[in-house]
Amino acid sequence: DFQMTQSPSSLSASVGDRVIITCRASQSVDTYLNWYQQKPGRAPNLLISAASSLQSGVSKRFSGSGSGTDFTLTISSLQPEDFATYYCQQTYSTPFTFGQGTKLDIK
Amino acid sequence: QVQLVESGGDLVKPGGSLRLSCAASGFTFSDYYMSWIRQAPGKGLEWISYISTGGTFTNYADSVKGRFTISRDDAKNSLFLQMNSLRAEDTALYYCARDLVPGRSTSDYWGQGTLVTVSS
Repeated sequence: DFQMTQSPSSLSASVGDRVIITCRASQSVDTYLNWYQQKPGRAPNLLISAASSLQSGVSKRFSGSGSGTDFTLTISSLQPEDFATYYCQQTYSTPFTFGQGTKLDIK
Repeated sequence: QVQLVESGGDLVKPGGSLRLSCAASGFTFSDYYMSWIRQAPGKGLEWISYISTGGTFTNYADSVKGRFTISRDDAKNSLFLQMNSLRAEDTALYYCARDLVPGRSTSDYWGQGTLVTVSS
């Protein structure tokens, strides 16, 4: 199975900060990499698919990059509604594994 | 608008069975692959299965293979997950999701989840 490792596991930041979350795959997943945001008590929300394709309706503050084994999710200027847990997911090969999550909270 | 509503979650004893349902509306259900993803309490996400359009192809995580069966009824716009030989480690919130990319479980819409608790 493909192991997905996110760093950091948790992060404290302030409104207006630029935040970068990384996701590393144990083997190349090409660009079959998604990013989800999950708020407490809510279902995950797809932010970015295919490593860098921003989903319709998602703020342009979010951007994704990378290919192969190393990926990043960047939030350009944190807003209060961005405090949540973020997951990466590889869809290159089944089982479609998720990272362990990065919890982003307010400093 | 797209809606996915799961049901069927319950408290069940180890070794028992349960059938989850997911009612879809607001889109042409038969045109989409669908997936089940679960989340144990306080834990991360785990993909467990997807089904193709028409139900021709299915795929499962090893953790559920041979115990769980995904199916769909396009006439009723419904997705199902038959869960047998349940174990304590199957305790989780189970989400159904619509797949944006066929066969890739890139899930653009999710239900609110249904809770399965496996305990004696």
